[in-house]
Amino acid sequence: KAGVTQTPRYLIKTRGQQVTLSCSPISGHRSVSWYQQTPGQGLQFLFEYFSETQRNKGNFPGRFSGRQFSNSRSEMNVSTLELGDSALYLCASSPLGGGNTEAFFGQGTRLTVV
Amino acid sequence: GQSLEQPSEVTAVEGAIVQINCTYQTSGFYGLSWYQQHDGGAPTFLSYNALDGLEETGRFSSFLSRSDSYGYLLLQELQMKDSASYFCALSTSGTYKYIFGTGTRLKVLA
Repeated sequence: KAGVTQTPRYLIKTRGQQVTLSCSPISGHRSVSWYQQTPGQGLQFLFEYFSETQRNKGNFPGRFSGRQFSNSRSEMNVSTLELGDSALYLCASSPLGGGNTEAFFGQGTRLTVV
Repeated sequence: GQSLEQPSEVTAVEGAIVQINCTYQTSGFYGLSWYQQHDGGAPTFLSYNALDGLEETGRFSSFLSRSDSYGYLLLQELQMKDSASYFCALSTSGTYKYIFGTGTRLKVLA
């Protein structure tokens, strides 16, 4: 079956703009998590959604938001972009979520803010 | 808070055995997972330890000791394709998020 699909793969934005990233989970998976990966900070948890509900949120400012649709596809939005938001944004899906299940990651969206 | 510490880099030669350690600070978690990530690629799941002890999957083994707040990933018969970053991760009880370790970059030399 198809893996986790993230679009777009690469994105260049200007400071102050906003951006929306998309994640399509593996068919049948209802949990989608988002992570920010940077060389200095590693993989940082942003939020997790299950059946259109946010169940947990990481320590990121309110400029970072997300949502999940009824078909489990998820989007994350970053408003008022800052240079420090440049990173690889990864989403991961699993059937039910939780740390006792394997998470399947997408290839990520490489965001560059200039 | 929760944190997981790993060595930043490990180097070994083809055919050797290497151990990547992970020490953590948390209270109450489901288990310890390991992920592999090649440059430019997505993290992929390697193993999961819910209980103390050793789990073996082919050339890879993973170990957990809850009393020592410690785990490791053991890679045997190293191959060039094993050159990648390796992350330990855990999810604290009652949450739905992974906390990832700092990551270990493994370089396999010919």
